[in-house]
Amino acid sequence: GAGVSQSPSNKVTEKGKDVELRCDPISGHTALYWYRQSLGQGLEFLIYFQGNSAPDKSGLPSDRFSAERTGGSVSTLTIQRTQQEDSAVYLCASSFEGRTGAFFGQGTRLTVV
Amino acid sequence: AQSVTQLDSQVPVFEEAPVELRCNYSSSVSVYLFWYVQYPNQGLQLLLKYLSGSTLVKGINGFEAEFNKSQTSFHLRKPSVHISDTAEYFCAVSRMDSSYKLIFGSGTRLLVRP
Repeated sequence: GAGVSQSPSNKVTEKGKDVELRCDPISGHTALYWYRQSLGQGLEFLIYFQGNSAPDKSGLPSDRFSAERTGGSVSTLTIQRTQQEDSAVYLCASSFEGRTGAFFGQGTRLTVV
Repeated sequence: AQSVTQLDSQVPVFEEAPVELRCNYSSSVSVYLFWYVQYPNQGLQLLLKYLSGSTLVKGINGFEAEFNKSQTSFHLRKPSVHISDTAEYFCAVSRMDSSYKLIFGSGTRLLVRP
């Protein structure tokens, strides 16, 4: 597609359930990033993919969070046993050449009730 | 480690007035610098970037920013704002030698009044 696509746009889940968030990057972009945006914490880096490997996972807040990327394209961010503090907007971004800046998707708003 | 400081959480300004949004950064290594804009309920859009060369960079929507190495600043300016410029603006840096992950400031809400 023309831009970074994320689904779902909104997700409401019960505390303790697992959720999967999907990101379709811009075609040909080898770098993919996940960020989290919340009122208290601002914009936080979660994980970086180059191709299918994740050389930088330093921002994942706990072992409940994991992500994978397949075919050098689609990525899925999984949050297990969701907690209320996981409520946030999860943003995906992709880049062909990282230094030129990343293109962001519209985000997935996750609400844990 | 890198950090970005946006001192102003909100900047109110009248339409057609000039505006400056301040950004200072800290880094022990060379970085690239970016400004992103976020309109309500949308993702982030790249406004402009400084990679190298001329310290004055021009971006979309009439915005420009000046890189000042000695002051470690990258302030965003626009000579005349419109109502449609009302949004959240984020300054960010990325290291030149790694994943290019972005480290963001806390954001500045620009509120343009008629």
